[in-house]
Amino acid sequence: GQNIDQPTEMTATEGAIVQINCTYQTSGFNGLFWYQQHAGEAPTFLSYNVLDGLEEKGRFSSFLSRSKGYSYLLLKELQMKDSASYLCASMDSNYQLIWGAGTKLIIKP
Amino acid sequence: SAVISQKPSRDICQRGTSLTIQCQVDSQVTMMFWYRQQPGQSLTLIATANQGSEATYESGFVIDKFPISRPNLTFSTLTVSNMSPEDSSIYLCSVIDLARGDYNEQFFGPGTRLTVL
Repeated sequence: GQNIDQPTEMTATEGAIVQINCTYQTSGFNGLFWYQQHAGEAPTFLSYNVLDGLEEKGRFSSFLSRSKGYSYLLLKELQMKDSASYLCASMDSNYQLIWGAGTKLIIKP
Repeated sequence: SAVISQKPSRDICQRGTSLTIQCQVDSQVTMMFWYRQQPGQSLTLIATANQGSEATYESGFVIDKFPISRPNLTFSTLTVSNMSPEDSSIYLCSVIDLARGDYNEQFFGPGTRLTVL
């Protein structure tokens, strides 16, 4: 079957580090995406992993373990503007995305 | 990256009427999708828009309710027919350009916020 799980909500402090986990079960797995979505706006692309390992892009990093069906998004030096929902999505062999419910990240001063 | 525009950006409609949403991409893209996102929820795929043929609908969505057109590689429309308040949602167009190679980023349009009274 197809399934994606991620926490519903997380809270972190400005300047700190937060890790958002995602587990997936996807037939014909073709990559794992992370998107950021601010309230009332469309999702914007953050990262794409198809091979095992860590991809670093500025303050954001994404990790994938295909054998474990596991990914995480790591956000460093948190800023208030990072308050948003973070959506994990896996792509299947038909290039369709299976979306998680999203993790609402709340940043406190 | 692909730039996507949607019209209208928002609308308030009466029950029983229909609304057509347009999606325009600034370049030819391989795949176009229509999503719905209800308040506080994640994205739900409605259908894949196929050029020159009928769209491929996901479970729970039918052509009579959500007719889709895709006359070329840069344009698609989604119609929400015989609307009810349960159709109030954000409707998002998204695209993937497989010609870019193995980097299968999916781009999203700005969305159409629909309220049905």
